[in-house]
Amino acid sequence: DQQVKQNSPSLSVQEGRISILNCDYTNSMFDYFLWYKKYPAEGPTFLISISSIKDKNEDGRFTVFLNKSAKHLSLHIVPSQPGDSAVYFCAARVSDRGAQKLVFGQGTRLTINP
Amino acid sequence: EPEVTQTPSHQVTQMGQEVILRCVPISNHLYFYWYRQILGQKVEFLVSFYNNEISEKSEIFDDQFSVERPDGSNFTLKIRSTKLEDSAMYFCASWWTSGRKTQYFGPGTRLLVL
Repeated sequence: DQQVKQNSPSLSVQEGRISILNCDYTNSMFDYFLWYKKYPAEGPTFLISISSIKDKNEDGRFTVFLNKSAKHLSLHIVPSQPGDSAVYFCAARVSDRGAQKLVFGQGTRLTINP
Repeated sequence: EPEVTQTPSHQVTQMGQEVILRCVPISNHLYFYWYRQILGQKVEFLVSFYNNEISEKSEIFDDQFSVERPDGSNFTLKIRSTKLEDSAMYFCASWWTSGRKTQYFGPGTRLLVL
């Protein structure tokens, strides 16, 4: 079951440049999309989300873009900082009977090089 | 900021033994979840819990698993007879019905079944 896919297992970016992480989904019933950041031995930490009725949401250095027709979303981090090095998970929310479960992608390991 | 806490951080058990993983969700949250992440794989939804009952469960959540909220604060996941393939990080999450559309995750319990 690959409802949410992150095709790049890893990404390496120079400090100060833009990091772009991508995510594709197949289920049209997803109503919210979220990005989580995860450090080793810690739980996922919420970064930013976007409703399925929007196409862009911005929060500081983080911007998420949603292309519904392509079933694609991306997370832009600019400028990238060494502290951004972590695994980033794309997640999609299914609001089925109020349960609001999240379906996660496989994650992309982002490394910011000084 | 309020946090979801989980105990223990690590648990080693013998195959066939029962384990109980504990979580204290954020106090005003109403929805509670368990997810797990097998090493190298994606975070997977196990179960959601609302109003003292399971609202949804995945195929993974078979009869060996149970959840309860015995005292209004702790939210527990019990695995009755552990198998080797139950070895994973188990994350608890909670959510309220308003505010940010996100689930807040605990730091996880690393379960190793020998």
